[in-house]
This record gives sequence, C-alpha cells and structure tokens, in this order.
Amino acid sequence: GDSVTQMEGPVTLSEEACLTINCTYTATGYPSLFWYVQYPGEGLQLLLKATKADDKGSNKGFEATYRKETTSFHLEKGSVQVSDSAVYFCALSNSGYSTLTFGKGTMLLVSP
Amino acid sequence: GAGVSQTPSNKVTEKGKYVELRCDPISGHTALYWYRQSLGQGPEFLIYFQGTGAADDSGLPNDRFFAVRPEGSVSTLKIQRTERGDSAVYLCYQGAENYGYTFGSGTRLTVV
Repeated sequence: GDSVTQMEGPVTLSEEACLTINCTYTATGYPSLFWYVQYPGEGLQLLLKATKADDKGSNKGFEATYRKETTSFHLEKGSVQVSDSAVYFCALSNSGYSTLTFGKGTMLLVSP
Repeated sequence: GAGVSQTPSNKVTEKGKYVELRCDPISGHTALYWYRQSLGQGPEFLIYFQGTGAADDSGLPNDRFFAVRPEGSVSTLKIQRTERGDSAVYLCYQGAENYGYTFGSGTRLTVV
C-alpha cells in the first residue's frame, strides 16, 4: 500500500538557519503530495501541495518540489523563524476521493 | 459556519464505556472523512462519507467503531466498549475539490 517516510525529529535550528525536512513516498500511480503543519495547541493546516511531477508548492517562505524520479517531496525554507516551530507532516493522496496517507511528522524547534 | 467544528474538544471516559464524537461540517460540501491521530504519529484514515453513505470504511480498526451521517451533513463517530488503546485525537476532515479541504480541531479522547 501507499506510505510516506519522513525524517525523524526533533530538528533543532537557530533563527535564520536553512531548513530541509526530507520526505519520500511509495505509491502506485500519480499521487498528489502535501505538507501539513501543526502549531502548538492548534489543528492541522495545509502548508503547500503539488499535484504532478516537477510541480513546486510554496507558501510562507516554504517550498517543496515533487520529484517523481526520486519519489521525494522535501520541505525547504531558506531562513527559519521562531514562529516556524511546529510539527510538519508530509502526506500523499492517491485515490479518487482524496484520502490522505501521512508520515509520522517531524518536530521543528527554532531558537532565537 | 466558517469551518469544521468538532465536539467535545476533550472527552475522558472509563474503559468499557460508549462514546460519541461529533463533526459539524462546512455546509454544502458532500465529502467528509474521519482520521485518528495517536500520540507521536500522523493521522490515520478511518472512514470516508460521500453524502449520507460511507464510501470507504476500510480504516475502521474493528467493529467497535462505527460512524453515521444520516442527513449528509453532521457526522457522528461512535466507539463501543472503549479500550485504553482508543485514546487519541479524532479528526474530522471535510471539503470539496474546488474549495479545498479543512481539518477540524479534533476531539481528544482519553480512556482511563
């Protein structure tokens, strides 16, 4: 079945450092790929998505490129802020009705 | 309403008891999903409704779990004979392809 693997956390960075959170997937066909973010005490929010190979999703300074050849969708940000501290989930949708398969999540901690 | 509302936000119950968790969705959107997020994990799919019927209930862990959506709007997830392993955050996810999908803030269920 479909699966998503993302790097284990926590990832600890200083403010203004570069961020990469790795995500790889296994799926049949051509899934859509997503990054969700969960800030402390809040619900899951869609951060960005890409629906086909070579698409780049971007939002709030984050970006991720759908790489079919490496089955990856790594999340990147050039300069993180303390307010980016959260848990980030990589996910895919590979059904006709948008059911999501999530990775286990990666906690990001950014210190001033 | 403006978003997906879930009640109660927190529920503590004794092992063996019956619980009901409610999702009040965005009006007019026919697709509705339930997910379960255990501590330290990503959300896992439970069941998907298209209108009033359960189009896919393959994620329900066993026959103690059941969900209904009798009028195609509000949905109730029902858990019989609760076990400590059922403790998790139960999430409602709802929307439509052209409008996007939204997670509710969830119900945190604790079975003691």
